[in-house]
Amino acid sequence: GAGVSQSPRYKVAKRGQDVALRCDPISGHVSLFWYQQALGQGPEFLTYFQNEAQLDKSGLPSDRFFAERPEGSVSTLKIQRTQQEDSAVYLCASSLATRGGSYEQYFGPGTRLTVT
Amino acid sequence: AQSVTQPDIHITVSEGASLELRCNYSYGATPYLFWYVQSPGQGLQLLLKYFSGDTLVQGIKGFEAEFKRSQSSFNLRKPSVHWSDAAEYFCAVAPPKSSGDKLTFGTGTRLAVRP
Repeated sequence: GAGVSQSPRYKVAKRGQDVALRCDPISGHVSLFWYQQALGQGPEFLTYFQNEAQLDKSGLPSDRFFAERPEGSVSTLKIQRTQQEDSAVYLCASSLATRGGSYEQYFGPGTRLTVT
Repeated sequence: AQSVTQPDIHITVSEGASLELRCNYSYGATPYLFWYVQSPGQGLQLLLKYFSGDTLVQGIKGFEAEFKRSQSSFNLRKPSVHWSDAAEYFCAVAPPKSSGDKLTFGTGTRLAVRP
């Protein structure tokens, strides 16, 4: 079946430009997560949605980062006025959060953002 | 705050040899524990997970992990490594009794396999 998809796979932005990264979760998955993975590091949590509600945005590094999931399905991570330190792979994951059920996040292939 | 330590940044083993990747965590209670694998250009794939019960957990691709509460460790093992196992491996934790909460990852161990 279809997994989590992300687009674009690669994005090059000039410093100061705005970017939008898209995530299509697995159909029916309630929970959606965004992570940032810098080169040579493990992924770091950015934000979490349950359906359309953004329940945790404690990992967003600055107010230049904004995420939405307006209809509880597709999500967009937007970065305004990109800086070089924003260069990273942005990973999206979704989860079927069932009551007392298994807890597994399924990850997309990521979007590699390079800010020049 | 919870944290995950993977002390080995890079490991090289010969094909057919056994493998152990180390993971230690710091958390007030026993968290949920996970191992993920990331191949170049691929997303993270779950190898196995531990929530409770039997401390030896079997996963996919012939991997297993053992939870040791006294050592706050969750080491990943494989008896015989295949060339296709070359990848980056991440240990991760999540708060216990949570559903849909964030994962905290270690910095990863890159595995190379000698023919």
